[in-house]
Amino acid sequence: QQNVQQSPESLIVPEGARTSLNCTFSDSASQYFWWYRQHSGKAPKALMSIFSNGEKEEGRFTIHLNKASLHFSLHIRDSQPSDSALYLCAVSSVGDNSKLIWGLGTSLVVNP
Amino acid sequence: DMKVTQMPRYLIKRMGENVLLECGQDMSHETMYWYRQDPGLGLQLIYISYDVDSNSEGDIPKGYRVSRKKREHFSLILDSAKTNQTSVYFCASSPGPERLFFGHGTKLSVL
Repeated sequence: QQNVQQSPESLIVPEGARTSLNCTFSDSASQYFWWYRQHSGKAPKALMSIFSNGEKEEGRFTIHLNKASLHFSLHIRDSQPSDSALYLCAVSSVGDNSKLIWGLGTSLVVNP
Repeated sequence: DMKVTQMPRYLIKRMGENVLLECGQDMSHETMYWYRQDPGLGLQLIYISYDVDSNSEGDIPKGYRVSRKKREHFSLILDSAKTNQTSVYFCASSPGPERLFFGHGTKLSVL
């Protein structure tokens, strides 16, 4: 069973900072890697995904995936107060891509 | 407009009462999910449905059952609710092994 861990548990950064969130997993056979964002009192919403080793950039957000190191990360450039949220990483289950294994989340606060 | 709708938004029940949580989606997604989210425990999968009448237990199915008679509708039933089932319940749908679309959640309190 895939095991997904996130670090740090919480993070406070000033507006404009570069923020890095980490996710480790236990089985490199997983195929899909996701970051979701959940604002307080709201539903999780898909942010970005990556399916192969490397890097993917969308606006201020960049994902890195290194399957050999069992690690993927989310980087936020020029962090904004509106980025304050719970960030959840998720990895597809080996053998059933429809099931996602979730980390417990990183709570990010961006101070103006 | 792609949407997952959950009803009700808030619900208060007494221990032992039956609970019905309903979820609808307008995207014709085959796969639907029920999760619960608790502080410190994250998102826990209760049931997954691959299509009509094709349901599978998730990680914490005990005390719950589901019904999916139409592709766009997925229900979660708690028979004789317990206080430890107090939680926020999220329904989600997916077009495939990729992005999940979540409903806004149902906050259930069992007293």
